[in-house]
Amino acid sequence: EVQLVESGGGLVQPGGSLRLSCAASGFTFSGQWMSWVRQAPGKGLEWVANINQDGSEKYYVDSVKGRFTISRDNARISLYLQMKSLRAEDTAVYYCATNSGSQARGAYYFGFWGQGTLVTVSS
Amino acid sequence: DIQMTQSPSSLSASVGDRVTITCRTSQSISTYLNWYQQKPGEAPKVLIYAVSSLQSGVPSRFSGSGSGADFTLTISSLQPEDFATYYCQQSYTTSWTFGQGTKVEIK
Repeated sequence: EVQLVESGGGLVQPGGSLRLSCAASGFTFSGQWMSWVRQAPGKGLEWVANINQDGSEKYYVDSVKGRFTISRDNARISLYLQMKSLRAEDTAVYYCATNSGSQARGAYYFGFWGQGTLVTVSS
Repeated sequence: DIQMTQSPSSLSASVGDRVTITCRTSQSISTYLNWYQQKPGEAPKVLIYAVSSLQSGVPSRFSGSGSGADFTLTISSLQPEDFATYYCQQSYTTSWTFGQGTKVEIK
């Protein structure tokens, strides 16, 4: 059974930093692209970042470029999101998700999701 | 970035109704269109990927169709457990985007 467990959320002041973690199990983590997706309170879903299997390719939504860094440790079977210069608008539940699909299938999608960790940016 | 326009933003329907949600993208995205369902307090789950492929375990009353830049999610006979928010999502470029969501409520 695929399990993704996020941790590291909490209350942080504007301008502060936070590191989120996602512990994975139940699948071959080192063979999977991974993502972070967030959801502000009462709002819709927003893709944040993707990372490929060995961490050599990373993509970000424009609003977090230069402030957030996605990374992974395949030996520890974990995904991370380092967040710096946090703003009130970064307040959200942050989900870790697997990327399923392939170009051959004509699809890339979020196959499995964690339960999320809440980040609140406020003074 | 590719813009996603989902409609309606909300709808009220009764059990047994046929429900249709549309998603329009700002450019053609081939087959890179997926649909998700999210219930309050839960993580989203994928229903449909690649426009019309049903994710394993998803009831057959859910179907997807469309091409180019216009796509549709259909629930053929709405069930009580289907009251939720639905999102379309594109993965055609390296910058992925979601529609704003459609909340399906009980009439």
